[in-house]
Amino acid sequence: EIVLAQSPGTLSLSPGDRATLSCRASQNVVSHYLAWYQQKPGQAPRLLISGASRRATGIPDRFDGSGSGTDFSLTISRLEPEDFAVYFCQQYASSPITFGQGTRLEIK
Amino acid sequence: QLQLQESGPGLVKPSETLSLTCNVSGGSISSRNDYWGWIRQSPGKGLEYIGSIYYSGSSYYNPSLKSRVTMSVDTSKNQFFLRLTSVTAADTAVYYCARRGTWLETYYFDSWGQGTLVCVSS
Repeated sequence: EIVLAQSPGTLSLSPGDRATLSCRASQNVVSHYLAWYQQKPGQAPRLLISGASRRATGIPDRFDGSGSGTDFSLTISRLEPEDFAVYFCQQYASSPITFGQGTRLEIK
Repeated sequence: QLQLQESGPGLVKPSETLSLTCNVSGGSISSRNDYWGWIRQSPGKGLEYIGSIYYSGSSYYNPSLKSRVTMSVDTSKNQFFLRLTSVTAADTAVYYCARRGTWLETYYFDSWGQGTLVCVSS
């Protein structure tokens, strides 16, 4: 199965900063079949990005996904207070579907 | 708007069977565009995909759990179900039901239930 390694484990930034989160796959993720989710405490994950770069309905354009092959990233251009959460990547190119372990984005 | 809601016992004894129900509202579980999945989240293992089922009953299980998992669907009630046998403490987690598409390029989860915590303990 494809193992996804997210880095950093925790990212401490301030509102207004730019955040870059990384997701590295142990094998090629074909056709950009990679998604990003945001999870806040006590809530289910929420889909942000699919197809590596396609924002889900209602997701602000400050969220930008990019990458291909084994290296993907999620960039949040200007952090808003509501963006501080845990972010997960998920690959769906190969069975079984797998998730990264998450990056916690915390207020500095 | 599609809504999913998990229900079931919050406490299961070791070696017994975990049974959960996901109720789907705001859409039909018989949609040909949808697969219905279960994902769990524990502190130790993060998010783990358990498997998915189609309204016809066609299913896929994660090989890591395949020997213990059964999923089923009741189209008349717009519900689908998870059974996990021979549970241990390692199965303690928040269990989510979720919706994904039927084509490989749509195998991401765009609607989730709120999750239900299941503890395995005697």
